[in-house]
Amino acid sequence: EPEVTQTPSHQVTQMGQEVILRCVPISNHLYFYWYRQILGQKVEFLVSFYNNEISEKSEIFDDQFSVERPDGSNFTLKIRSTKLEDSAMYFCASSEGTPGEQFFGPGTRLTVL
Amino acid sequence: KNEVEQSPQNLTAQEGEFITINCSYSVGISALHWLQQHPGGGIVSLFMLSSGKKKHGRLIATINIQEKHSSLHITASHPRDSAVYICANFGNEKLTFGTGTRLTIIP
Repeated sequence: EPEVTQTPSHQVTQMGQEVILRCVPISNHLYFYWYRQILGQKVEFLVSFYNNEISEKSEIFDDQFSVERPDGSNFTLKIRSTKLEDSAMYFCASSEGTPGEQFFGPGTRLTVL
Repeated sequence: KNEVEQSPQNLTAQEGEFITINCSYSVGISALHWLQQHPGGGIVSLFMLSSGKKKHGRLIATINIQEKHSSLHITASHPRDSAVYICANFGNEKLTFGTGTRLTIIP
């Protein structure tokens, strides 16, 4: 069964460093999403992406964040200069259509020291 | 502002009991999602619905658009159903999540 994959599963970085979180969505899906979940809190929307453009972004998704689909398979989230408060689980999801059932990756746990 | 409220926040039940988790949302939707988050953190989609009722195995989801309310029911609950169940409202190309209901089923 097709699935969304994410790498790495855990990333530890120093405050101020850049990180890139990678996702491989399901191959025939057209809509891509990033979410984050701070420990003990609810899941929060970051950004949606379709047709090589951002469709919608949240207030969290400021200039420090960017997304890219560099090739036909990967979907990346870059945080330019990490802060302590960026420590969270980051989930990628994809769907075939909109609205559509979203399939989530296993998540990347980001720890900023 | 799009808000999603779930109740109860925590629910403990005996194996075999019928479980109901409720979700209310504040703005109109394109679709309402029910998700399951396992203890390890992974998120699985259970249902997406915009009207009526859907059933998958022992799980049933219903939605009342006029009342902006949805319920997730689990029949014949089992310890493996123990997880966090999350309601999320899809609108304006994004999901807005509830805080989740932590369900524990005791054998």
